Amino acid sequence: SQQGEEDPQALSIQEGENATMNCSYKTSINNLQWYRQNSGRGLVHLILIRSNEREKHSGRLRVTLDTSKKSSSLLITASRAADTASYFCATASGTYKYIFGTGTRLKVLA
Amino acid sequence: GAVVSQHPSRVICKSGTSVKIECRSLDFQATTMFWYRQFPKKSLMLMATSNEGSKATYEQGVEKDKFLINHASLTLSTLTVTSAHPEDSSFYICSAPRGDSYEKLFFGSGTQLSVL
Repeated sequence: SQQGEEDPQALSIQEGENATMNCSYKTSINNLQWYRQNSGRGLVHLILIRSNEREKHSGRLRVTLDTSKKSSSLLITASRAADTASYFCATASGTYKYIFGTGTRLKVLA
Repeated sequence: GAVVSQHPSRVICKSGTSVKIECRSLDFQATTMFWYRQFPKKSLMLMATSNEGSKATYEQGVEKDKFLINHASLTLSTLTVTSAHPEDSSFYICSAPRGDSYEKLFFGSGTQLSVL
């Protein structure tokens, strides 16, 4: 069953602006990951945050995790047109099977 | 980084035929691979877990006789869509975890299947 719900479903911003997308999940997790998918392609791993972490940074990416609210957010700062893609959260709880969220389609306008 | 190669990237076939999709881990061994199905603008739905040397584990609602999975070596898993019908048209993606932690998945580039 699909576990993660992401919002917004679609987001359109101007280049240089920040993009924030959120992910909510239902059960306890070991870690939460964010992936990026360009249209018609496979997914690329962006960042992983463990259940005992609250915030993590990687370049222009900032991820937060609130296990009490069962939610995570991905912030992309100073967005670029090349950031246009779909972004998915994925959660694992106890097993190695990852459940993917519904995704946010980000469009960055040049 | 680890590379997973998926082939073909696109296939068009007639209804009733079978289609085989290959997923290879190029620079690491993958005892486990995952097969997903994705509809347009939707998320990935896990279909099955492919295990090297043993039977695949299918998710609820996925027909094992329809979607045959073979994981005969540590670097190759195949998904065969048997007697394909138009409703099987979809984007199929494989992934493989690297290392013992299974914390990071490496994805193939996907296969767009169109059944006429």
